[in-house]
Amino acid sequence: QSVLTQPPSVSGAPGQRVTISCTGSSSNIGAGKDVHWYQQLPGTVPKLLIYDNNNRPSGVPDRFSGSKSGTSASLAITGLQGEDEADYYCQSFDNSLSACVFGTGTRVTVL
Amino acid sequence: EVQLVESGGGVLRPGGSLRLSCETSGFTFDDYGMSWVRQAPGKGLEWVSGISKSGIRIDYADSVKGRFTISRDNAKNSLYLQMNSLRAEDTALYHCATGLVDRSTLYGDAFDIWGLGTMVTVSS
Repeated sequence: QSVLTQPPSVSGAPGQRVTISCTGSSSNIGAGKDVHWYQQLPGTVPKLLIYDNNNRPSGVPDRFSGSKSGTSASLAITGLQGEDEADYYCQSFDNSLSACVFGTGTRVTVL
Repeated sequence: EVQLVESGGGVLRPGGSLRLSCETSGFTFDDYGMSWVRQAPGKGLEWVSGISKSGIRIDYADSVKGRFTISRDNAKNSLYLQMNSLRAEDTALYHCATGLVDRSTLYGDAFDIWGLGTMVTVSS
């Protein structure tokens, strides 16, 4: 059972904007711990999309953006494209567990 | 080129033991924390264990605490995971991972470098 909760699925038409929420608690996101986001295409290893809440690694399009507020974080994808169909995971550190934790994962479908 | 290459996976019975290895290259290994992350077939990502760059700080997921032991050899640029008392629910693809993008993270989280993984199957 993950301590970071994400919606199981989100969908949108090409060109639209979608957001994925990541709900934590006062022992992880709410404690000021950084949130990172990963994209996993079918059959591949996860790819870091956003690190430290709102930073993009080199090569990640600026269509992807992250934000954090209180005990939650969000990943936004603007100008949705077919290649964005994938699973997305948030990740942080939990002080109570003294462990890194991943979110439950969200499947993005492009209609 | 930065590389993480896992080995040591296999098929074994419940209660068995296995030692996974992760050979690294292309970066200064002892500058970074490292982690093991697993993914059961058709399931999400699960962080298993992490070790700080010096090896002094170590943590485990509750699901493996007391059964798994993480270690590193900075002289060999390698990471290890000793897995004992294996259970069917430990069946997964095991990746080693680290984050070169943010050197300050304890266990290398902000994982921008992943190995392809080694499969562990526990079945009677």
